Amino acid sequence: GNSVTQMEGPVTLSEEAFLTINCTYTATGYPSLFWYVQYPGEGLQLLLKATKADDKGSNKGFEATYRKETTSFHLEKGSVQVSDSAVYFCALISRGYGNNRLAFGKGNQVVVIP
Amino acid sequence: DTEVTQTPKHLVMGMTNKKSLKCEQHMGHRAMYWYKQKAKKPPELMFVYSYEKLSINESVPSRFSPECPNSSLLNLHLHALQPEDSALYLCASSQESSQPYEQYFGPGTRLTVT
Repeated sequence: GNSVTQMEGPVTLSEEAFLTINCTYTATGYPSLFWYVQYPGEGLQLLLKATKADDKGSNKGFEATYRKETTSFHLEKGSVQVSDSAVYFCALISRGYGNNRLAFGKGNQVVVIP
Repeated sequence: DTEVTQTPKHLVMGMTNKKSLKCEQHMGHRAMYWYKQKAKKPPELMFVYSYEKLSINESVPSRFSPECPNSSLLNLHLHALQPEDSALYLCASSQESSQPYEQYFGPGTRLTVT
């Protein structure tokens, strides 16, 4: 089946620091990969996506590259702001798996300190 | 416009009440979803509607009853809920459910069962 693994534990860093959140996956078929962000008290927002190997998704200074050889989709941002404090979920949908089931990672709480 | 709206934003109900959650999208999407999210966890899929027909019910108790009156609207009828049903209920939509299109989420309804 499909599964997504995110690094354990919250991430705490200072403003303007470099952010990396690791995401690896296992999937049947040809997955599309996503990062969603959830700000406190809100729903999930699609942050970026990649639909095939070597695609780079980017949005709001965040980037992630679809690496088929390492089955990874790590999220990066070069200089975080306090407003980036949120929970980040890596997710995938596998083509051919049917019915568009999103498989989520456990999520990472990111706290940016001024 | 990638907006999914949900009402109400907050709901408190007793275990004998009947209430409904509403969701609307105007993106022309033909797949709509209900998710349940507990604190600090990823969303869990409850139901999938494809072209206004229920295509997935993830063994959800019958006290939750979904309805899709038309292609833009999705309801979740609640009856005789338990305190453990307290959670954030998220609606989402995508272009179709048979292909790995991204899902767009609404802001959610925060439900408290007393």
